[in-house]
Amino acid sequence: DTAVSQTPKYLVTQMGNDKSIKCEQNLGHDTMYWYKQDSKKFLKIMFSYNNKELIINETVPNRFSPKSPDKAHLNLHINSLELGDSAVYFCASSQSTPDTQYFGPGTRLTVL
Amino acid sequence: SQKIEQNSEALNIQEGKTATLTCNYTNYSPAYLQWYRQDPGRGPVFLLLIRENEKEKRKERLKVTFDTTLKQSLFHITASQPADSATYLCALVGGYQKVTFGIGTKLQVIP
Repeated sequence: DTAVSQTPKYLVTQMGNDKSIKCEQNLGHDTMYWYKQDSKKFLKIMFSYNNKELIINETVPNRFSPKSPDKAHLNLHINSLELGDSAVYFCASSQSTPDTQYFGPGTRLTVL
Repeated sequence: SQKIEQNSEALNIQEGKTATLTCNYTNYSPAYLQWYRQDPGRGPVFLLLIRENEKEKRKERLKVTFDTTLKQSLFHITASQPADSATYLCALVGGYQKVTFGIGTKLQVIP
């Protein structure tokens, strides 16, 4: 009965590959997010979806493409992976206004 | 440009004392401010939220203050315990519900 789940937890891949990270929430929230936490532990928002519609799209390379098939899922697809993409990626969800964000356990992506 | 600063990267405190963490911001007018706790290898966990028209919020041993004139929030943990050791993040929520996190302060409570 995990509130926000992500798969996989660890992802090791070669430069140039394409990979996806999946996120699901069972809280009935309308809004979902993707964050990137780099090696300096800085947590930066990448995308936000509300009711399957993109509402925040920070300055992220267009190699990153979020997809929300329904309100409970927000997946992140990354094309042509680069070394600098290595980080921990967190999914989060909240009600329409982010009074409280619930974070997933994170996906540690390592690009070799 | 917008900037959020948390007072120090690391803070060591003796068990039983009050830990005080600082979050300062510039070039920002947040609607409200949140504090999260993050343990190693885990996602942040929400602790408290304070709105721009509120001065203080409490929850058990936690207290948050918000001074929009000073552009500062203080986060207090009273009677600190080793289990309080973690990284604490402040987050500002502004227009379009955008959430901006500070770098965090790593708190170590020494028994």
